Amino acid sequence: DTAVSQTPKYLVTQMGNDKSIKCEQNLGHDTMYWYKQDSKKFLKIMFSYNNKELIINETVPNRFSPKSPDKAHLNLHINSLELGDSAVYFCASSQEGVSYNEQFFGPGTRLTVL
Amino acid sequence: DAKTTQPPSMDCAEGRAANLPCNHSTISGNEYVYWYRQIHSQGPQYIIHGLKNNETNEMASLIITEDRKSSTLILPHATLRDTAVYYCIVRGVYSGNTPLVFGKGTRLSVIA
Repeated sequence: DTAVSQTPKYLVTQMGNDKSIKCEQNLGHDTMYWYKQDSKKFLKIMFSYNNKELIINETVPNRFSPKSPDKAHLNLHINSLELGDSAVYFCASSQEGVSYNEQFFGPGTRLTVL
Repeated sequence: DAKTTQPPSMDCAEGRAANLPCNHSTISGNEYVYWYRQIHSQGPQYIIHGLKNNETNEMASLIITEDRKSSTLILPHATLRDTAVYYCIVRGVYSGNTPLVFGKGTRLSVIA
């Protein structure tokens, strides 16, 4: 059973296109996150959602729009893709109130913009 | 910004103990030390965490100095599958669901 899953695993697209990445967790967690890992391997938070509500939005271009239809899903839609958007995007989840707030990460989606 | 300092890389012979240091000299009293690792092309994975006592689980041991300004993650018998980037993260005990702040980590290479 996969705890946090993402689709697709690889995404290759042209500049200017619009694409979506989906994330699902079956852990019953109430908080989900999107992290971006760039070519230099730095992992940085983009968004976090708690019970379907946005609680953190780092300085991310508004071309990026997360959507959480329910607690188990957090999708990332990207408009007008740019070369600099090429990166690996990781979804994660955690449960508030658990003593150590372990975050569970998905396998990542490698986005390549040509 | 991450509040920890780690060496950029380390090597370890297979079967030997890997000792990964981390400095967190500005840690405050209510902050834990967490360790995650990222095996190539995979999502980060939780390893262990501690406040002030030494901790051990099935994956690793965590030794925290008495002044809590530094710690060491120990993989007792490193295998090739332990080759990964290891991240030391300081995080408040009441941080709730705040995101993790990753530094550059230590790239551990386990050599046969």
